Amino acid sequence: DIQMTQSPSSLSASVGDRVTITCQASQDISNYLNWYQQKPGKAPKLLIYDASSLETGVPSRFSGSGSGTDFTFTISSLQTEDIATYYCQQYDNLPLTFGGGTKVEIK
Amino acid sequence: EVQLVQSGAEVKKPGESLKISCKGSVYSFTGYWIGWVRQMPGKGLEWMGIIYPGDSDTRYSPSFQGQVTISADKSISTAYLQWSSLKASDTAMYYCARLPPGINLVQGIDSWGQGTLVTVSS
Repeated sequence: DIQMTQSPSSLSASVGDRVTITCQASQDISNYLNWYQQKPGKAPKLLIYDASSLETGVPSRFSGSGSGTDFTFTISSLQTEDIATYYCQQYDNLPLTFGGGTKVEIK
Repeated sequence: EVQLVQSGAEVKKPGESLKISCKGSVYSFTGYWIGWVRQMPGKGLEWMGIIYPGDSDTRYSPSFQGQVTISADKSISTAYLQWSSLKASDTAMYYCARLPPGINLVQGIDSWGQGTLVTVSS
């Protein structure tokens, strides 16, 4: 199985701050990586697909980059509505695997 | 807009059986994979398995192989997740999700159901 190591597990930042989350795969997954946002009590929502493509309707302050084994997810200017847990997921190989999640809070 | 509508919350006793459902609409149900994802209380997301309703090709995560059964009825655009004998440790939120076919069998999840909460308690 491909292991996805996501860090940090939680972070606290101020409104307007730049927030960065990393995800490392245990082997090369090319760009077969998605990022999801899960707000409390809600289903996850796709934000970024193919490592760096923004899903339709998602604000442009969200972005993704990387390929191979190292990936980055960025919120360029944190907003109060971005309070959520964020997950990466690889789809290079079955079983599909998720990172452990990053809980983002407002300082 | 793609819709995946799941069946309602369930409260069961250990040893009981259960089948929950996920109905897809506003897209070609047989042209996409449907997956199931478990989220235990306060924990992260775990992929359980996928099914391609077009031909019922089913793949399980090794962690869930033999523990659950995934099926689909393409005539009513509905996928199912089934347990024959529930345990307290099956208590979780279960999400269905849509996955487009891809070069490596599937692409990532592009739509999610609202979730079905399963509580197993004596």
